[in-house]
Amino acid sequence: AQSVTQLGSHVSVSEGALVLLRCNYSSSVPPYLFWYVQYPNQGLQLLLKYTTGATLVKGINGFEAEFKKSETSFHLTKPSAHMSDAAEYFCAVKNYGGSQGNLIFGKGTKLSVKP
Amino acid sequence: DTEVTQTPKHLVMGMTNKKSLKCEQHMGHRAMYWYKQKAKKPPELMFVYSYEKLSINESVPSRFSPECPNSSLLNLHLHALQPEDSALYLCASRGAEGQGDTQYFGPGTRLTVL
Repeated sequence: AQSVTQLGSHVSVSEGALVLLRCNYSSSVPPYLFWYVQYPNQGLQLLLKYTTGATLVKGINGFEAEFKKSETSFHLTKPSAHMSDAAEYFCAVKNYGGSQGNLIFGKGTKLSVKP
Repeated sequence: DTEVTQTPKHLVMGMTNKKSLKCEQHMGHRAMYWYKQKAKKPPELMFVYSYEKLSINESVPSRFSPECPNSSLLNLHLHALQPEDSALYLCASRGAEGQGDTQYFGPGTRLTVL
């Protein structure tokens, strides 16, 4: 079975500072990993994904994540935060256990950006 | 185009009403999903359709009734809902294995049950 743990339900950074959102996964098979962003009262937008190949994945809006098998981690980073980055971020892993390729989500991390 | 559309954007209904939510995608995806999301929580899977057939029902009460009339369209029929059913309802579709199994989400329908 797969699972995802997001460390920190709320992260606050200053504008221009590094953004680091942590995600650890558990999977008995090579995982497919995803980061989604959700702005208030909107759906989820895919930021980036890891399936196979290069372990450093670049996404939209300047975000990137690195798949580290030895640490079972897939942390999301951005060198310089913008006010527009304030949102809820969800890490997810593809569920191989049964539900038709369903995603298993972490509990989410709310990112606040201070001016 | 990776767009999934949902209508209506907002819905307010009484506990005796019957209403429907609609979801549409034109990406040729053959797997479609309904999720329910409460405030400050991750989405919870409700139903999965694969090739227009219901493949997963995550023990959802019968007052929620999904329907997949064709490969592009997914409906969620609502009847006799309870106030605790108030939530954001999200639709998603998933590309094929070779497309990285990515799920694309619609903007959601904000449902309020009075």
